[in-house]
Amino acid sequence: QKEVEQDPGPLSVPEGAIVSLNCTYSNSAFQYFMWYRQYSRKGPELLMYTYSSGNKEDGRFTAQVDKSSKYISLFIRDSQPSDSATYLCAMRTYNQGGKLIFGQGTELSVKP
Amino acid sequence: DAGVTQSPTHLIKTRGQQVTLRCSPKSGHDTVSWYQQALGQGPQFIFQYYEEEERQRGNFPDRFSGHQFPNYSSELNVNALLLGDSALYLCASSQWTSGRGTDTQYFGPGTRLTVL
Repeated sequence: QKEVEQDPGPLSVPEGAIVSLNCTYSNSAFQYFMWYRQYSRKGPELLMYTYSSGNKEDGRFTAQVDKSSKYISLFIRDSQPSDSATYLCAMRTYNQGGKLIFGQGTELSVKP
Repeated sequence: DAGVTQSPTHLIKTRGQQVTLRCSPKSGHDTVSWYQQALGQGPQFIFQYYEEEERQRGNFPDRFSGHQFPNYSSELNVNALLLGDSALYLCASSQWTSGRGTDTQYFGPGTRLTVL
């Protein structure tokens, strides 16, 4: 079983839709949670960074962490065609240095 | 302010050859991590360098080695290349934080390696 599970999609939505992306994990020691966006043939770009449980909002993006359920989510409001990319969740423990554990990534397509 | 830079952009090698990839971290960062991303997969952690030492290593064979220079830039070397080494190699830079390793990691554009 992988430490981090993420549905690879692809996920296709119309422009303006609310998008929900999710990851589950098995290691209860994970405390730092990140969402990265990766356009085709590019490096991952950090979108959201949260510590422990709770919600964090940044513009059209909201990240949620539920440590009791070992479940994290990223919501995108008013989705745009420019949001079409692969979204990667990543996480790490407090003292495990820089080792990020990534999900497989979800491919999102927003249709005009 | 330049972000993380990597060179070369693309590379084609044949089985058995050796390759060296290079990374310059973001200004103000002192830690470099390397990841391998196979097509359709998330990045896999190879190792991390801080103060010119390998601080942590993922589940990769000894064919993968690295180095960090005094200016914080880093190299990834892969010996005896296999077809399965074909992937996007990503460098991430961050600031070392005592007690918890590093802070947020920022990725470069990657080097796409093809092994024939």
